[in-house]
Amino acid sequence: KAGVTQTPRYLIKTRGQQVTLSCSPISGHRSVSWYQQTPGQGLQFLFEYFSETQRNKGNFPGRFSGRQFSNSRSEMNVSTLELGDSALYLCASRKGGGTDTQYFGPGTRLTVL
Amino acid sequence: AQKITQTQPGMFVQEKEAVTLDCTYDTSDPSYGLFWYKQPSSGEMIFLIYQGSYDQQNATEGRYSLNFQKARKSANLVISASQLGDSAMYFCAMREAMDSNYQLIWGAGTKLIIKP
Repeated sequence: KAGVTQTPRYLIKTRGQQVTLSCSPISGHRSVSWYQQTPGQGLQFLFEYFSETQRNKGNFPGRFSGRQFSNSRSEMNVSTLELGDSALYLCASRKGGGTDTQYFGPGTRLTVL
Repeated sequence: AQKITQTQPGMFVQEKEAVTLDCTYDTSDPSYGLFWYKQPSSGEMIFLIYQGSYDQQNATEGRYSLNFQKARKSANLVISASQLGDSAMYFCAMREAMDSNYQLIWGAGTKLIIKP
């Protein structure tokens, strides 16, 4: 079974631009979560989508948004990029049950110049 | 207060030795789950092992085992017969059942380096 895939793997943008990251979950998984990982803050939860609905959101500004499609694929958008948005963005999927395990993709490394 | 504490920022271990990575947690929820993930330099977070708070036995997965001491609120990861490929960051994470939303709380991680 194919794992979680994320595209692109690497991205370089400049301040003020916007970016869209994509995540395809494991087949049959209905939940997709997004995390931001930085050396200073560690892993921080961005949001979770389940069956096209945002279920939970972390403490991030409104510049960070996401959506999920009917095939469970998810996109994350960051508008008006700031230098501090440089990070590894990890996507994780799970089936959707209460005791699920999340499986992660390889991440997208975003650099904002 | 920190909910997940990993006190070892970095560790050096000789190849083929066993290694224990520490994790302590803090929760008042009687139902919770504990996870360990490995993150190589490539960035991908790899699931290693899971322990539920009501599980009677310590979890094991191949060379990985979880030393779960509920009263002490510790969930240490034990890697037997370490290999060079075990060099990576290791993260302990917790999910509380009281939290109706599925959200993992993460430790700061331990960087493990296996020496040949």
